[in-house]
Formats: sequence, structure tokens, C-alpha cells
Amino acid sequence: EIVMTQSPATLSVSPGERATLSCRASQSVSSILAWYQQKPGQAPRLLIYGASTRATGIPTRFSGSGFGTDFTLTISSLQSEDFAVYYCQQYDDWPITFGRGTKVEIK
Amino acid sequence: QLQLQESGPGLVKPSETLSLTCTVSGGSISSSSYYWGWIRQPPGEGLEWIGAIYYNGNTFYNSSLQSRVTISVDTSKNHFSLKLNSVTAADAAVYYCASHYGPKGYYYMDVWGEGTTVTVSS
Repeated sequence: EIVMTQSPATLSVSPGERATLSCRASQSVSSILAWYQQKPGQAPRLLIYGASTRATGIPTRFSGSGFGTDFTLTISSLQSEDFAVYYCQQYDDWPITFGRGTKVEIK
Repeated sequence: QLQLQESGPGLVKPSETLSLTCTVSGGSISSSSYYWGWIRQPPGEGLEWIGAIYYNGNTFYNSSLQSRVTISVDTSKNHFSLKLNSVTAADAAVYYCASHYGPKGYYYMDVWGEGTTVTVSS
């Protein structure tokens, strides 16, 4: 199965600053990668699919990039509601696999 | 608008079978663009994909759970189900159902249920 590795595990950022989250796949997944946001006590929410396409209703401050094995989620200017855990996920091959998550916390 | 809702016992005894159902509303479970699946999250941990099923019964499973998991679909009731047998404390988690959308044959999870907490205890 494809192993997804996220870094860092925790990212401390001040409101208004940029956050850059990384995700690496153990083998190429082309652009078949999604990002999810999860807040405490809530189900995950789809942010990005196809490595760079924002899901419906997702603000433009969220952007995804990358291809093959290396991917990035960028939050251009952190808002208070963006402090959460972010997961990358490959769906290029079964079984679908997730990274272990990056927690974005207030600095 | 598609909505999913999990249901089932919140408490399961060790060695017994965990059974959950996900009811789909706002859309047909027989849509050719979807798989329907389950994901779990142990307390304080990350997300683990369990498996998914197509309306015709085709399934994919997480290899680490495959020997204990069965996912089934009932198109007449517009719902799908999860059975996990021989549970242990390690199976305690929030269990989510999610639609896996994939018009091009690659399936990401676009809609999630709110999740249901399952405790394993005698």
C-alpha cells in the first residue's frame, strides 16, 4: 500500500501568517491527492482534490500543489477558524491511505 | 444535497461483532459515480480507511482489517453497512461513513457523516 508522510506534525503559526504543510507519498500518485480539514469533535471536511482543485465553498486562501510524490497545502493568511488538523490522502490506488496529519496551532 | 448518517450500537463487547449502518439521503446509492465507505478514528489518533463498496457489491478493504471486515449494500433501502468481527479495545473509535466520489475512476471522500462513537467493553 502507498504510505503517506506528513510534515511537520505540528505547525505553530500566528493569525494572518502563511502556513505551508507538506505531504509525501511512498510512490507516485500523479495528482490523485486530496486534503481534508478536521476540527475537534467534527467530521473531516474535503478541502482539495486532484492535488490543486478546491472543493465547493472552500476559500481561496487554501491552495494545493504538487505532483507525483511531493505535495503542499498552503493557507495564505491564517484565520482563526483555520486552526485545525489537516490530512492528506491518496486515492490513486486501493487501499486509500491517509497521512497522520498536521496540527496547525496558534502561535 | 447528499447527506449520510451512521447508526448502530455505541457499545460492543470484546470478541463480538460491531455492526453499523449508513443511510444515504439526497441521492441514490446506485449512482455510478460513487463508492460508499467507512473510515475510523481512535481517540486522539488519525484517520484510518476501512473499506468501500460499489452499488453492485464490488468492495475494497484495508488489508490490515480485511480478515475481519464485511461491507454490504442494500440499494432498496439506500444504505450500506459495516460489520467488524472479533473486536478488541483497539477497535474503539469514532466511525465515519463517507461517499467516495469518482466520475473518472479515482474516488475521494466528498461528503462525510457526523460519525458515531463505538466503545468496546464488557
